[in-house]
Amino acid sequence: KAGVTQTPRYLIKTRGQQVTLSCSPISGHRSVSWYQQTPGQGLQFLFEYFSETQRNKGNFPGRFSGRQFSNSRSEMNVSTLELGDSALYLCASSGQPNTGELFFGEGSRLTVL
Amino acid sequence: GNSVTQMEGPVTLSEEAFLTINCTYTATGYPSLFWYVQYPGEGLQLLLKATKADDKGSNKGFEATYRKETTSFHLEKGSVQVSDSAVYFCALSVEGAQKLVFGQGTRLTINP
Repeated sequence: KAGVTQTPRYLIKTRGQQVTLSCSPISGHRSVSWYQQTPGQGLQFLFEYFSETQRNKGNFPGRFSGRQFSNSRSEMNVSTLELGDSALYLCASSGQPNTGELFFGEGSRLTVL
Repeated sequence: GNSVTQMEGPVTLSEEAFLTINCTYTATGYPSLFWYVQYPGEGLQLLLKATKADDKGSNKGFEATYRKETTSFHLEKGSVQVSDSAVYFCALSVEGAQKLVFGQGTRLTINP
């Protein structure tokens, strides 16, 4: 069974640009969550989608957005990039709602110059 | 608010040593508690979980007991191996939500 797949794995952007990250969950999983991991702030929750609906949102500015498609694949977008957005962005899927049992991808490492 | 505090790392031990990584939490409601592990070059994996007070989660020789009276969920293993070298994260979720609150992580290195 394939795991959670995130693309791209690495990318470099400059301030002011926007970026879109993609996540394919484990087959059959309908819940997809996104987390930001940085050395200073650790792992922080961005948002969670279930059946194309955003169920939870973390404390991030509106520049961070996401969506989920009918096949459960998800994308997150960050607009007007800032240096502080440099981070590892992790996607996680779950087949059992409301359990906290997540399967994580390896992440997309974003560097903003 | 909800928060998780882990012992600061890095932690370095010799093979077959006893391991404890401390984790305490603050939460509204009745949280579920988790330990996730991140091996080098891999994504986070769920190691074990406990959903109510006095529950003990266990997996791969690791154990943690949900202590409501001390708001703790310390991770223990009796005899560590080199392959246990990784970063360990304590986490909680409240009221069954998929939104996890993570501790800062503890980097563990086991020397042969």
